[in-house]
Amino acid sequence: SQKIEQNSEALNIQEGKTATLTCNYTNYSPAYLQWYRQDPGRGPVFLLLIRENEKEKRKERLKVTFDTTLKQSLFHITASQPADSATYLCAPGDTDKLIFGTGTRLQVFP
Amino acid sequence: EAGVVQSPRYKIIEKKQPVAFWCNPISGHNTLYWYLQNLGQGPELLIRYENEEAVDDSQLPKDRFSAERLKGVDSTLKIQPAELGDSAVYLCASSGATDTQYFGPGTRLTVL
Repeated sequence: SQKIEQNSEALNIQEGKTATLTCNYTNYSPAYLQWYRQDPGRGPVFLLLIRENEKEKRKERLKVTFDTTLKQSLFHITASQPADSATYLCAPGDTDKLIFGTGTRLQVFP
Repeated sequence: EAGVVQSPRYKIIEKKQPVAFWCNPISGHNTLYWYLQNLGQGPELLIRYENEEAVDDSQLPKDRFSAERLKGVDSTLKIQPAELGDSAVYLCASSGATDTQYFGPGTRLTVL
């Protein structure tokens, strides 16, 4: 069955550093991959979408890569801020269906 | 533009009781999703609607769960009877012309 793996351990980094989160998937060939942010007590919020024919996508301080050979996506936040602290969900998808990973909790400390 | 609206935000019931959740998607969004999210896990799809048609309900436990989207706009998800293991957050999302999904705040269900 399809499996989406994200680092279950929290990632703690210092303000100003680059945070890198990993998403690996197996038994799946998604047409695209999305990243969402989720704060406690709230629903996920869309951040970025990258398609299978794209290697990299950027939006402000965010960068996503998508390697269909490795079946992996990397999510980078540069110049991280305490306000970036949240859980980040990876969601590979096809047509209208997404499969969400368990998420990685990021904590940025001053 | 108003976001996805869900009610109630919190619900506490005793096991074997029925419960219903309501969702109003973003105006103009034809696709509506219901997800279940357990603590420390990602959302898991329960059912997806295209307008009023349920196009993917393969993960919906049909013995106790039901859903409807009668006029292709708002939707109701029902559990009857609720079990202890149903305690979770129930999320509603909608999407329009793009593949991006917009989520509501969720309903946190506690079954005692």
